[in-house]
Amino acid sequence: SQQGEEDPQALSIQEGENATMNCSYKTSINNLQWYRQNSGRGLVHLILIRSNEREKHSGRLRVTLDTSKKSSSLLITASRAADTASYFCATQSGGSYIPTFGRGTSLIVHP
Amino acid sequence: SAVISQKPSRDICQRGTSLTIQCQVDSQVTMMFWYRQQPGQSLTLIATANQGSEATYESGFVIDKFPISRPNLTFSTLTVSNMSPEDSSIYLCSAQGSGAGQPQHFGDGTRLSIL
Repeated sequence: SQQGEEDPQALSIQEGENATMNCSYKTSINNLQWYRQNSGRGLVHLILIRSNEREKHSGRLRVTLDTSKKSSSLLITASRAADTASYFCATQSGGSYIPTFGRGTSLIVHP
Repeated sequence: SAVISQKPSRDICQRGTSLTIQCQVDSQVTMMFWYRQQPGQSLTLIATANQGSEATYESGFVIDKFPISRPNLTFSTLTVSNMSPEDSSIYLCSAQGSGAGQPQHFGDGTRLSIL
C-alpha cells in the first residue's frame, strides 16, 4: 500500500504565483523525498528531508516536515511554466532503503 | 548523480509476445529497481534487481511473467512475457546507492502498448 498521499491531486496556477503541495503519510519514517516527473520522462529527485529536520531549502523549493502530524509540504515560489509537472513524495521507513511513492500532484503553471 | 539509459523508449506489441527492456547505468550502483506506472498514476514496484542472484519480487508480480536479469552492477533487463492488453503501461528502471537516505535515479521509461 502507498505510504504517501499528496494533496491536491491537481493544481493550476499562473506563472509567478507560489505552488504548495502537501503529503501525508501513515507510519514513522526515516526520511521523505520529493520528486518531479515531466510528461514523458522519468522521475527526478528534488530534495530529501530527514525525520529530524523541519525545513529545507533548495533554490525556489522549500520543504517542511511535521512528524507529529505525519505530513510534509513542498512550496515552489515564483513558479514558471517549466515547473509544470507531476510531483511525488516518497517515504523511507524502518530498515528498508526502498522509498514508497504517493499518487502525486499534477501541477500546471500557465504562462 | 547516475544517468540511466532505458530502451526501447516505446513499443507497440501483439498480445502473446514478449518484450525485453534494457536499463544501463553510467556508473556502478548497488540497487536497481523496476517499476510500473499507469499514465497519471503513481509508481508500483515490480521487483528489486539483485546482482548475481534472483530478483526480489513484490506481491502480485512473479518471475514467470516478469523475468529480470542483472549480470553486473551497471545493467539490468526486464522482460514482459506473454503480454496482454492489461500489461500496457509505462515501465521505469531506477538505480540507487547503498545506505539510508539515497535518492533514486530514473530512466525515462518504456511506454508499452499491447494490441
